[in-house]
Amino acid sequence: QVQLQQSGPGLVKPSQTLSLTCAISGDSVSSNSAAWNWIRQSPSSGLEWLGRTYYRSKWYSDYAVSVKSRITINSDTSKNQFSLQLNSVTPEDTAVYYCARDSNWNYDYWGQGTLVTVSS
Amino acid sequence: QTVVTQEPSFSVSPGGTVTLTCGLSSGAVSTSYYPSWYQQTPGQAPRTLIYRTNTRSSGVPDRFSGSILGNKAALTITGAQADDESDYYCVLYMGSGIYVFGTGTKVTVL
Repeated sequence: QVQLQQSGPGLVKPSQTLSLTCAISGDSVSSNSAAWNWIRQSPSSGLEWLGRTYYRSKWYSDYAVSVKSRITINSDTSKNQFSLQLNSVTPEDTAVYYCARDSNWNYDYWGQGTLVTVSS
Repeated sequence: QTVVTQEPSFSVSPGGTVTLTCGLSSGAVSTSYYPSWYQQTPGQAPRTLIYRTNTRSSGVPDRFSGSILGNKAALTITGAQADDESDYYCVLYMGSGIYVFGTGTKVTVL
């Protein structure tokens, strides 16, 4: 059974960097058949795919156009986890952030969600 | 940027049938977009219902089905039950590694 455990601060100041980590159990971040994603949901709003990282003989990352200039998703094979960094945050980045596994075009496992509030 | 559109809301009677759609602001949805559908209740992470257009996720009742209808992806609930009252989101693969969620549909069963 795959489990994703998120960690990171729930409050970030404007202009600073939002950092979250997703620890994986039951699968490997280096899996050749999965991709590891970050998705967010603003209060009272819909879901937004932010980006992903995956390994296919080498590491790849893809990012949503809306955050491409500010986002980095990295993997840490020694800890079997991946992370999100979102720079220069504003109150509009306030949201519940989820990590999720994509396998066979299916977000089949999700983290528990982390509410991140951007406020001074 | 392409917008993935869904009906804002639907109401269905218990036992009734409802079809939710997932379209593009420009162009037609096909199986090449690998549409998937997720159900979300308040405070919970989304749960997969359908992926790759019409593959039902493990444990999902067969009253949920996916298809392409005309130029849109579709999720049909046949024989709606009270606990189907949720928000429903589609996701489309836009190519070049990019995914876009739909705007979501709130389904009320009454």
